[in-house]
Amino acid sequence: QVQLQESGPGLVKPSQTLSLTCTVSGGSISSGSYYWSWIRQPAGKGLEWIGRIYTSGSTNYNPSLKSRVTISVDTSKNQFSLKLSSVTAADTAVYYCARGNLSTAMVAFDYWGQGTLVTVSS
Amino acid sequence: EIVLTQSPATLSLSPGERATLSCRASQSVSSYLAWYQQKPGQAPRLLIYDASNRATGIPARFSGSGSGTDFTLTISSLEPEDFAVYYCQQRSNWPTFGPGTKVDIK
Repeated sequence: QVQLQESGPGLVKPSQTLSLTCTVSGGSISSGSYYWSWIRQPAGKGLEWIGRIYTSGSTNYNPSLKSRVTISVDTSKNQFSLKLSSVTAADTAVYYCARGNLSTAMVAFDYWGQGTLVTVSS
Repeated sequence: EIVLTQSPATLSLSPGERATLSCRASQSVSSYLAWYQQKPGQAPRLLIYDASNRATGIPARFSGSGSGTDFTLTISSLEPEDFAVYYCQQRSNWPTFGPGTKVDIK
């Protein structure tokens, strides 16, 4: 059974960089059948896709966040990571990592981490 | 950007009743639409992908239909554990989600 687990600081100061890691267990992150995404959800609000990374290392980002986002992968550790720079209070949210399944035509997110709350505050 | 709208925002029903949730896209997404269920304090769970295919382990009471711009998620007979928020999602150039429909107990 595939499991994803987010980790990282729960509190980040304004203007600093938010850094999170997602550890994948029960399967290899190097499988070409998937890509790996970050998705966030402010309290009481909907879901916002942040970006994705393929096992090749190719990335795509939400245009609204593109200038501040970097997603990377470490296949040796079966992990992928998110960096979001110049954060403000508007970046306070629960951050999820998720797997996109390329075997479905629409690449649905079939496995999700439990989510981690990141608060931006001084 | 393709915008998804969901209706109604809230659906108040009793266990055993049929739930019909709507998702409309601002332009055609073909059949590239998924539905997720989210309960408080939990991550979303994939229910339906490619508009009408149930994900692994999803009960048969959940069904999806539609193509192009109009999609429907139907729960044939609500169980107590089905009261939750439901999101639709499309893939287009980048994934976007609808604002959600909350199904609560009447």
